[in-house]
Amino acid sequence: QQKVQQSPESLSVPEGGMASLNCTSSDRNFQYFWWYRQHSGEGPKALMSIFSDGDKKEGRFTAHLNKASLHVSLHIRDSQPSDSALYFCAASGNQGGRALIFGTGTTVSVSP
Amino acid sequence: GGIITQTPKFLIGQEGQKLTLKCQQNFNHDTMYWYRQDSGKGLRLIYYSITENDLQKGDLSEGYDASREKKSSFSLTVTSAQKNEMAVFLCASSIRDWEYEQYFGPGTRLTVL
Repeated sequence: QQKVQQSPESLSVPEGGMASLNCTSSDRNFQYFWWYRQHSGEGPKALMSIFSDGDKKEGRFTAHLNKASLHVSLHIRDSQPSDSALYFCAASGNQGGRALIFGTGTTVSVSP
Repeated sequence: GGIITQTPKFLIGQEGQKLTLKCQQNFNHDTMYWYRQDSGKGLRLIYYSITENDLQKGDLSEGYDASREKKSSFSLTVTSAQKNEMAVFLCASSIRDWEYEQYFGPGTRLTVL
């Protein structure tokens, strides 16, 4: 069973709109989360980390973490065509060793 | 800044062949990783290394060997390529472990005939 699950699998957003992505861990040991973005033909790049409950904002991107429910979300405000990419949630924890476990990804398409 | 270089960019092999993928980083990072990505979807960890000559198995290590003889390089060997196998292998590095951002290379695309 995938330990880090993302939804939706794909998402279409009009330019200027809001994209909302979700991620849930099935392992209570995983309480530290990252969001990565991958454009076609490239390696993933880190967008932001979130380790504490609540919101964290970086530019147009806002992450929200609820450790009790092991749920993290990413919201992209004022979506741009350049935001079209594959988005990964990745998680780790105190007992998870030193590695991140990546989710299956959400494909975001922003149409002009 | 730094860069991660992966060679080759494309690798075509025959069934049963041993194939080696190479990764170099000039960030001076301690930790390096190998991931496999199938069909443009999720990344699965094959091996990682927290320092020179260290190797840690990930969930997908069966069928692979790895080697970290220098801090700057990390190689991955497919011990016996499987027919119809097609995946992208991604190398990454980070200062230390999961608390720190991982920087990824562009990937090696493997096709097995």
